[in-house]
Amino acid sequence: EIVLTQSPTTMAASPGEKVTLNCLASSSVSYMNWYQQKSGASPKLWIYGTSNLASGVPNRFSGSGSGTSYSLTISSMEAEDVATYYCLQLSSYPYTFGAGTKLELK
Amino acid sequence: QVQLKETGPGLVQPTQTLSITCTVSGFSLTSYYMQWVRQTPGKGLEWMGFIRSGGSTEYNSEFKSRLSISRDTSKNQVFLKMNSLKTEDTGVYYCARSRYRDYFDYWGQGVMVTVSS
Repeated sequence: EIVLTQSPTTMAASPGEKVTLNCLASSSVSYMNWYQQKSGASPKLWIYGTSNLASGVPNRFSGSGSGTSYSLTISSMEAEDVATYYCLQLSSYPYTFGAGTKLELK
Repeated sequence: QVQLKETGPGLVQPTQTLSITCTVSGFSLTSYYMQWVRQTPGKGLEWMGFIRSGGSTEYNSEFKSRLSISRDTSKNQVFLKMNSLKTEDTGVYYCARSRYRDYFDYWGQGVMVTVSS
């Protein structure tokens, strides 16, 4: 099983601050998907295929990475970005999620 | 538009069987894979398994011995059945769709299941 380790577990960012969330895989994966989950809601597809923004996702978000190291970056933090972000690998069974990074507003 | 909605019992007793239905609209089950994912306090988000557009299934070995996924394409419904429930199975259960091994693009609202006597 591929274990996805997300860091940091929790972070607080000020409006306008650049934010980088990380996802480290225990074995190489072909690509990474990211989901945003707000309290009480279902996860929403946010970034797919490592770097493609899902429909409606603001372009201040970006994704990058390869092999075992992937990241989600917010160029300028906004209040609406407060949420938990999860990475998900579909390269091998069982599919696995990271434990999430909770992003808060400072 | 694409919609998915899970319905289930809410409360299930330990050792009993959980049955959840995912009713979809706006697309065909014969064109998409349907995934089941759960979110528990103990383990977070966990992929449980899927049923392919052709009807075959794949399961997470964590659940394989007690999980079954099936569908009724005429009713646009996908079913999850899991037996021998334990208190650790308490959580929110989601269905989601994917085209293949690409990404889960639409999710249901989830159904909360509590395993308790």
